[in-house]
Amino acid sequence: KAGVTQTPRYLIKTRGQQVTLSCSPISGHRSVSWYQQTPGQGLQFLFEYFSETQRNKGNFPGRFSGRQFSNSRSEMNVSTLELGDSALYLCASSRGGGQNEAFFGQGTRLTVV
Amino acid sequence: QQQVKQSPQSLIVQKGGISIINCAYENTAFDYFPWYQQFPGKGPALLIAIRPDVSEKKEGRFTISFNKSAKQFSLHIMDSQPGDSATYFCAAETSGSRLTFGEGTQLTVNP
Repeated sequence: KAGVTQTPRYLIKTRGQQVTLSCSPISGHRSVSWYQQTPGQGLQFLFEYFSETQRNKGNFPGRFSGRQFSNSRSEMNVSTLELGDSALYLCASSRGGGQNEAFFGQGTRLTVV
Repeated sequence: QQQVKQSPQSLIVQKGGISIINCAYENTAFDYFPWYQQFPGKGPALLIAIRPDVSEKKEGRFTISFNKSAKQFSLHIMDSQPGDSATYFCAAETSGSRLTFGEGTQLTVNP
């Protein structure tokens, strides 16, 4: 079965711009989580959506937002980009409900210049 | 309280040797402990996971040992191979699907 698909794979944006990243979860998975990975901070949880509702949120500023559609696909938006937002953004899908295997996509590499 | 501490930061092992990576946590609400393997340019891939009611789980060459009283768990890779060279992350989960990751261990297996 198809894995988690993230698009685009690479993005270069200018400070102050906004960006939207997309994630298509594994078929049948209703939970989508987003993580930011940087060399300095490691893997940090952004937020999680389950059945179109945000269930959990990490400690990121309001510039980071997301949503989930009825087909479980999810988008993440970052507004007013800063240089420090440069990172690998990873999406993980699972059945939800806790103690379920989470499968990651290959990520979107965002570079802010 | 939400942190997961992972060590060592880097590890070099000879082919055929045993690789051991350790993690410790504080939050007793964590109830699911997966390990992920990540190759450069790829997303993390789930290796093996354990629940706190089990002290050990083995899948092929990979074994998780879990010590609930000490709030520690570790990954053992037996007969390490050059293809195992990657970054390994331990993680812990509370309710829902929120994973808290360790800092990562860069494993190098020399031929």
